[in-house]
Amino acid sequence: DILLTQSPDSLAVSLGERATINCKSSQSLLYRSTNQDYLSWYQQKPGQPPKLLIFWASGRHSGVPDRFSGSGSGTDFTLTITNLQAEDVAVYYCHQYYSTPYTFGQGTKLEIK
Amino acid sequence: QGQLVESGGGVVQPGRSLKLSCAASGFTFSTSVMHWVRQAPGKGLEWVAVIWSDGGTKYYADSVKGRFTISRDNSNNTLSLEITGLRVEDTAVYYCARARVAAFDIWGQGTKLVVSS
Repeated sequence: DILLTQSPDSLAVSLGERATINCKSSQSLLYRSTNQDYLSWYQQKPGQPPKLLIFWASGRHSGVPDRFSGSGSGTDFTLTITNLQAEDVAVYYCHQYYSTPYTFGQGTKLEIK
Repeated sequence: QGQLVESGGGVVQPGRSLKLSCAASGFTFSTSVMHWVRQAPGKGLEWVAVIWSDGGTKYYADSVKGRFTISRDNSNNTLSLEITGLRVEDTAVYYCARARVAAFDIWGQGTKLVVSS
């Protein structure tokens, strides 16, 4: 099974500042036939289902503010949130669709400092 | 945009069986790969099962293999998850989700299952 390890487990960032969340995979998520990394990012607020933010490591999903960006390839990935807003308080998960079982990272809780 | 609505959760005794359903609308269900994902209270997300668009291919997490069966009815735009031999550790919110561009782009609101005697 592919293990995804997120860091940190939690972080507190001031409003208007930048938040960075990392996700490390136990094996490469680069799908050779499509030349895409099968890594996505989700935001989950309390009592709500997860919401897709980023697909293919850096593709921003429709309707997601451009403050959210994804980067990385292979085994190391990053979600960056610039100009942090109060509504960004949530738990963030990375997820791999490279092979079954389609695992998630353990989650990173983002709070306002 | 698409919508998914789960149903069928509740409080069930250990060892019993249950069927969860997910009604899809607003997108072409019959060509979509569909998944179940669950979240135990206060825990992270756990992928449970996937079914290909034609229903011919299915995969399961090891933790549910042999007890969970995913199925679909493309004529009625419905996804199902049949669970037998329920265990306390199956207590969770169960989400159905559509897969697209190697990600889950549409999620339902979830249905809560509590396994307790």
